[in-house]
Amino acid sequence: GENVEQHPSTLSVQEGDSAVIKCTYSDSASNYFPWYKQELGKRPQLIIDIRSNVGEKKDQRIAVTLNKTAKHFSLHITETQPEDSAVYFCPPVRYSTLTFGKGTMLLVSP
Amino acid sequence: DTAVSQTPKYLVTQMGNDKSIKCEQNLGHDTMYWYKQDSKKFLKIMFSYNNKELIINETVPNRFSPKSPDKAHLNLHINSLELGDSAVYFCASSQDRRATSYGYTFGSGTRLTVV
Repeated sequence: GENVEQHPSTLSVQEGDSAVIKCTYSDSASNYFPWYKQELGKRPQLIIDIRSNVGEKKDQRIAVTLNKTAKHFSLHITETQPEDSAVYFCPPVRYSTLTFGKGTMLLVSP
Repeated sequence: DTAVSQTPKYLVTQMGNDKSIKCEQNLGHDTMYWYKQDSKKFLKIMFSYNNKELIINETVPNRFSPKSPDKAHLNLHINSLELGDSAVYFCASSQDRRATSYGYTFGSGTRLTVV
């Protein structure tokens, strides 16, 4: 199965700054890289994903980049806002299932 | 209109009791899951069902027994509840078994507190 390391575990930024969360994976056959966001007290939700044949994908203020050579993919949030405060997950795929894990807690201060 | 609905939303019970959490999805998805999220936000897969068949059973105590009467429902029964079972339990569904299919839809969670 796939092993994924996510960093940092916590990230504090000022409103308007950019935030970057990075995930490093081990299986070179991995071909799907999703990001989920979970606000406090809410359910996890898919916010963006990328497949291995694409290097970057953007959706307004969020983007995901994939570096297949280095085996890592990153979530970029620009012009952060307080509502971006949440736990972000890059769930590894094991046995065709998203297995999640610890996540990164992002705190955006006004 | 709720896509994945769980009941109850909150559950407070005493140690040793038996309780059930129900989950239903109206998305026509084939695959459903149970996840457990602890107080440190660690979200862990427990079970996965595809078309009523158990696909994944992670290292979960035998006290936890999932049941899927049809592909739209996946219930979780817990026997002899322990303090360590206190957590938020999320049900989720996906179109099929492939993790790469259109993302997972989660229910709103059931906060279980064992006292």
